[in-house]
Amino acid sequence: QITLKESGPPLVKPTQTLTLTCTFSGFSLKSRGEAVGWIRQPPGQALEWLALIFWDDDTRYGPSLKNRLTITKDASKNQVVLTMANVTPVDTATYYCGHRDNLNYFDYWGRGTVVAVSS
Amino acid sequence: QSALTQPASVSGSPGQSITISCTGTTNDVGASFDYVSWYQHLPGEGPKLLIFNVKNRPPGVSYRFSGSKSGNTASLTISGLQAEDEADYYCNSYTSSATFVFGTGTQVFVL
Repeated sequence: QITLKESGPPLVKPTQTLTLTCTFSGFSLKSRGEAVGWIRQPPGQALEWLALIFWDDDTRYGPSLKNRLTITKDASKNQVVLTMANVTPVDTATYYCGHRDNLNYFDYWGRGTVVAVSS
Repeated sequence: QSALTQPASVSGSPGQSITISCTGTTNDVGASFDYVSWYQHLPGEGPKLLIFNVKNRPPGVSYRFSGSKSGNTASLTISGLQAEDEADYYCNSYTSSATFVFGTGTQVFVL
C-alpha cells in the first residue's frame, strides 16, 4: 500500500524560501524506475505540475518555475523535498506530492498541504 | 508549455453520459507515446486516478469512466452519470520534453 503525506509551513512571507517535505511509504526511491513529483493548485485554479525526481537523482521541472525550484530526495528517510525560492503571494496554493508510475501517470497522491504567502 | 485545454464546466442529468475534452499539441496529447491520464478531484482530497495511458482503468475505478484519443484531443466519458460524479476533472499528459502538463480543469455538475 503506497501512501504519501505532504508537510510544510502554513504561512511564509514574501521573498522567503518555501520548503516542503513529502514523506512516503510502500515503495523505495532506491528502486529503479521509481519517481515522485510535486503538483500545486492555487485557490480556484487548476492543477499545475512542478517537479519530479527519479530514483537515480535525475530531475525534471516545469518550465514556468524551474529557476526557483529545487527537488531533492533522502531515500533512506523515504522523503522528497521541494524548495521554492523567493515566494510571492501568487505561490499561495495547496501543494501535493504524487507517486509516478513507470508509464508516466500519478497513481497515488497525498492529501496536500496548504501554504499561504503573506506578509 | 501551455496547459491543456478543457471546457470549464459540463453538466448532465443522472443516467446520462457526458464527455470532457482535453486538447493539446503534437508534443503532448497528440504524441505517439499515449501518456494521457485523467483525475477526479474532490475538495480536501488528493486527486484520484481514473484513466491512464489514454484508455486504461486502474483496479477499483468504475467501468462508467472511459477514455479515448483522436489526434491532439483526448476525451473522458462518464456514462450513467451519478450524483457522486460531481467533482473537478483534470487531464494530464507527459510531453516530448520529458515533463508533465495538466489540463485547465472541468467542473462536472449533476443536474
